[in-house]
Amino acid sequence: EDQVTQSPEALRLQEGESSSLNCSYTVSGLRGLFWYRQDPGKGPEFLFTLYSAGEEKEKERLKATLTKKESFLHITAPKPEDSATYLCAVQSSGGSQGNLIFGKGTKLSVKP
Amino acid sequence: NAGVTQTPKFQVLKTGQSMTLQCAQDMNHNSMYWYRQDPGMGLRLIYYSASEGTTDKGEVPNGYNVSRLNKREFSLRLESAAPSQTSVYFCASSGHRRSEAFFGQGTRLTVV
Repeated sequence: EDQVTQSPEALRLQEGESSSLNCSYTVSGLRGLFWYRQDPGKGPEFLFTLYSAGEEKEKERLKATLTKKESFLHITAPKPEDSATYLCAVQSSGGSQGNLIFGKGTKLSVKP
Repeated sequence: NAGVTQTPKFQVLKTGQSMTLQCAQDMNHNSMYWYRQDPGMGLRLIYYSASEGTTDKGEVPNGYNVSRLNKREFSLRLESAAPSQTSVYFCASSGHRRSEAFFGQGTRLTVV
């Protein structure tokens, strides 16, 4: 069964304190791994897509990496505006066409 | 840039009532999805439509029906609402099988 596990469930950082969020997955063939950001009361906002092990993507203070079993979202020198829930999702070649399987998310709080 | 638009944003129903959640996208995407998001459960797929004229069940389809009215619109119907259907519902669309999905702002539904 395709599965996505995110850790930690919640993370509190001081402004400027770098850290990483983890997304572990088991799928019957990975089509793609996606990172989203979700603010309270809003829909998920797309951040990155990774397709193969070794691939990396960057956007401002965020960097996503991918191995054959997990992905990391590295946050460098975070700011309070980076506070949000970060969702990881995978698209499996064995699943429904185009369907994303989501983890439960990591709630990030960045204090000034 | 409207993207994915959902209506209504909030709704309260009594047990047994019916309603239809509307979703429209203006990105000329082929695939559209309905997810529900519950605390501690993550996002779960209810139904999806890979293209106009086709619909398929997702992980949690019981109690729901869908209609892909045309390429732009994908509606979700609750025929007889139950308290277990209290949730936040998200519509999403994607351009092709390996591409990222874009989400609407959600419909917060409470069934009493």
